Amino acid sequence: GNSVTQMEGPVTLSEEAFLTINCTYTATGYPSLFWYVQYPGEGLQLLLKATKADDKGSNKGFEATYRKETTSFHLEKGSVQVSDSAVYFCALTSNTNAGKSTFGDGTTLTVKP
Amino acid sequence: SAVISQKPSRDICQRGTSLTIQCQVDSQVTMMFWYRQQPGQSLTLIATANQGSEATYESGFVIDKFPISRPNLTFSTLTVSNMSPEDSSIYLCSVVATGRVDTEAFFGQGTRLTVV
Repeated sequence: GNSVTQMEGPVTLSEEAFLTINCTYTATGYPSLFWYVQYPGEGLQLLLKATKADDKGSNKGFEATYRKETTSFHLEKGSVQVSDSAVYFCALTSNTNAGKSTFGDGTTLTVKP
Repeated sequence: SAVISQKPSRDICQRGTSLTIQCQVDSQVTMMFWYRQQPGQSLTLIATANQGSEATYESGFVIDKFPISRPNLTFSTLTVSNMSPEDSSIYLCSVVATGRVDTEAFFGQGTRLTVV
């Protein structure tokens, strides 16, 4: 079946530091890949997505590239801010899995001023 | 895209009671799902809500505890029955847009349930 393995947390960084959160996946067919963010006390928000190999998703300074050869979708940001403190989930949705989403365990990011 | 309205956004309930959560979508969608996020955990799929037929439950979830209705292509309800404190979680409705080449899931804002 499908699975998503996400870098364990928590991750604590200083403001303006570089962020990488690793994500690898196992899936049948041609999955679409997503990063979701959940700010404290809030719901799940789509951060970015990529739907085919070599696509790069980007939003709010975050980027992730769909790497089929390494089955990875690592999240990066060049300079984090305190407001980026949240839980980040890597996920995939596959048309061979009846549209169900598979989530990683989530990575808690804390950015200190 | 699909806009999902989920109600209530939060509730505090007594153990032994039941709560029904509503999910309304602004367009017709084929696939609709219910997820649970326990405190500090990731999202776990409860079931697929099928229009016009019984929901399909994932391992570990049963209809008696989580009855689901799907009367049409834009609406679904999830009931959490005979609640205990272990049911305290965020419950999320999700849809997959019909007819898209790429498969993208959209999520409601969730219902934050606390059972006391």
